[in-house]
Amino acid sequence: DADVTQTPRNRITKTGKRIMLECSQTKGHDRMYWYRQDPGLGLRLIYFSYDVKMKEKGDIPEGYSVSREKKERFSLILESASTNQTSMYLCASSFRDYGYTFGSGTRLTVV
Amino acid sequence: EDQVTQSPEALRLQEGESSSLNCSYTVSGLRGLFWYRQDPGKGPEFLFTLYSAGEEKEKERLKATLTKKESFLHITAPKPEDSATYLCAVQNSNSGYALNFGKGTSLLVTP
Repeated sequence: DADVTQTPRNRITKTGKRIMLECSQTKGHDRMYWYRQDPGLGLRLIYFSYDVKMKEKGDIPEGYSVSREKKERFSLILESASTNQTSMYLCASSFRDYGYTFGSGTRLTVV
Repeated sequence: EDQVTQSPEALRLQEGESSSLNCSYTVSGLRGLFWYRQDPGKGPEFLFTLYSAGEEKEKERLKATLTKKESFLHITAPKPEDSATYLCAVQNSNSGYALNFGKGTSLLVTP
């Protein structure tokens, strides 16, 4: 099994829908992150969490929220999906200041 | 504000033709510089972390070096399986644990 698992791998949804992207990790890492990756823009940080129930805004948090009820899970929520949120979403975890372990990504299309 | 600039954006090499990828950065306090490899449709895969100027790390055909302003990823005698996007990221010691990524260099190695 992968160390960091993202579900679903692909998702198509309609504008205005509330959706949740899930991320789980088996490495026991304390820190978890959500990025989005877009052509020409690279990876941009949405939110991160350094402990259970703790969260910090990244560079582009608008339109997103997160939940971390358990150490191994970090969910990204789009309360009302919009077309400009069509993107590849990447979750990662890390132990303290060491390098990230990434999941395989969720490709989200909002129509 | 931290900045990470990677060049070139794209690079095409013949198999066996060695070259280097560049990552220029500005950061108020460097905790670490990271290199990742990303294959299409997958999450980034960790390659190296460099912490101080003068440090070098090697893995198979890849060698990463660090100065106070830039890092190089040297690829010696590349093979087609080295084709991927290579991402550079910096971690700022003054602003938490998140990584700030460059936009990447897309490498294609032809037989």
